[in-house]
Amino acid sequence: KQEVTQIPAALSVPEGENLVLNCSFTDSAIYNLQWFRQDPGKGLTSLLLIQSSQREQTSGRLNASLDKSSGRSTLYIAASQPGDSATYLCAVPAGAGSYQLTFGKGTKLSVIP
Amino acid sequence: NAGVTQTPKFQVLKTGQSMTLQCAQDMNHNSMYWYRQDPGMGLRLIYYSASEGTTDKGEVPNGYNVSRLNKREFSLRLESAAPSQTSVYFCASSDRGLLTQYFGPGTRLLVL
Repeated sequence: KQEVTQIPAALSVPEGENLVLNCSFTDSAIYNLQWFRQDPGKGLTSLLLIQSSQREQTSGRLNASLDKSSGRSTLYIAASQPGDSATYLCAVPAGAGSYQLTFGKGTKLSVIP
Repeated sequence: NAGVTQTPKFQVLKTGQSMTLQCAQDMNHNSMYWYRQDPGMGLRLIYYSASEGTTDKGEVPNGYNVSRLNKREFSLRLESAAPSQTSVYFCASSDRGLLTQYFGPGTRLLVL
């Protein structure tokens, strides 16, 4: 059964700092990985989707990497801003050909002005 | 273009009551999903519909039923609500398979 772990569960950084969020998964036979953002009381917003054939995806100040062989992904946020404060979740398919996504429990990020 | 919409936003039920959560998307997506989110448990898939006319169970389907009314709409029904179904429910859609999923704002359900 696919399991997804995100460490740390919470992170507090001063504004302007670069930071890395981690995601690990147990079944490396995935064909993509997604990073989402969730603001308090809101739904999830997709940030980046990395296909298994890719190693990185970038969107603005966000850069996500994927290392299937080690079962890990990282989300790098450059020059953090208070508006980046949210919970960040990663998700991978539950299995080969599965429509189910397995989510991590998320990292709650607070960027202090 | 509203994306994924859900109604109601908030609902209080008594144990044993029934209700239907509504979801609609205007992105012409084939696949739609229902999740629940609970503290400490994360997001878990209840049911999904890979395409119009099909539905399948997810990780936690017990106590729920779904209907894919048409390509736009996917409803979730609680026939006899239980306190364990107190949760935040999210609907999502994607173009096909597991491409990027787009989420609705959620329905907060409290079962007393």
